[in-house]
Amino acid sequence: GAVVSQHPSWVICKSGTSVKIECRSLDFQATTMFWYRQFPKQSLMLMATSNEGSKATYEQGVEKDKFLINHASLTLSTLTVTSAHPEDSSFYICSARRTEVSTDTQYFGPGTRLTVL
Amino acid sequence: KQEVTQIPAALSVPEGENLVLNCSFTDSAIYNLQWFRQDPGKGLTSLLLIQSSQREQTSGRLNASLDKSSGRSTLYIAASQPGDSATYLCAVNTGFQKLVFGTGTRLLVSP
Repeated sequence: GAVVSQHPSWVICKSGTSVKIECRSLDFQATTMFWYRQFPKQSLMLMATSNEGSKATYEQGVEKDKFLINHASLTLSTLTVTSAHPEDSSFYICSARRTEVSTDTQYFGPGTRLTVL
Repeated sequence: KQEVTQIPAALSVPEGENLVLNCSFTDSAIYNLQWFRQDPGKGLTSLLLIQSSQREQTSGRLNASLDKSSGRSTLYIAASQPGDSATYLCAVNTGFQKLVFGTGTRLLVSP
């Protein structure tokens, strides 16, 4: 089956620093990837849609200057949390959309736990 | 704006029981609905996907139904096992694979 990886799986950083999270589709090309955020005991909330070769589309209420998304290749999207603060501590999950071979579905990464001290 | 709600929020049952998880959504204009499983601190595992034109899907002990007109879906788990303990999420596809997730049901199956 299709595999999506995320790196790192967890990260702890100091307030004010920036953190980059990678999302890779390992065995298929993904022109579209999605970034979600999940606070403890809450559901996933879509943050933005990452499109290869173009600007990401952000959901209402998500600061695009704080959460920088780059989708430079068909297998890699990165999310950079800039000037992180404790309230940014969350579980970040990416997914990659696969549209080849007559399927159109998303495959989810294992998530990245971000803790900002 | 699409809103997805799941009931109950938490459920605790003894091993062997059959159980039903509920999912409701406010806008019936969906492309499909998907049920996921999430173990603590982990990503999502897709369980079942029902296209908007379908009424149900089955996989092993799992059966999911969809009533698009009433904005409801159910996930039926037969003969529950401790290994079924997890959080179950439903998500509706509002178009272009844009998913709106439900609030989740935390299931605990005790031996």
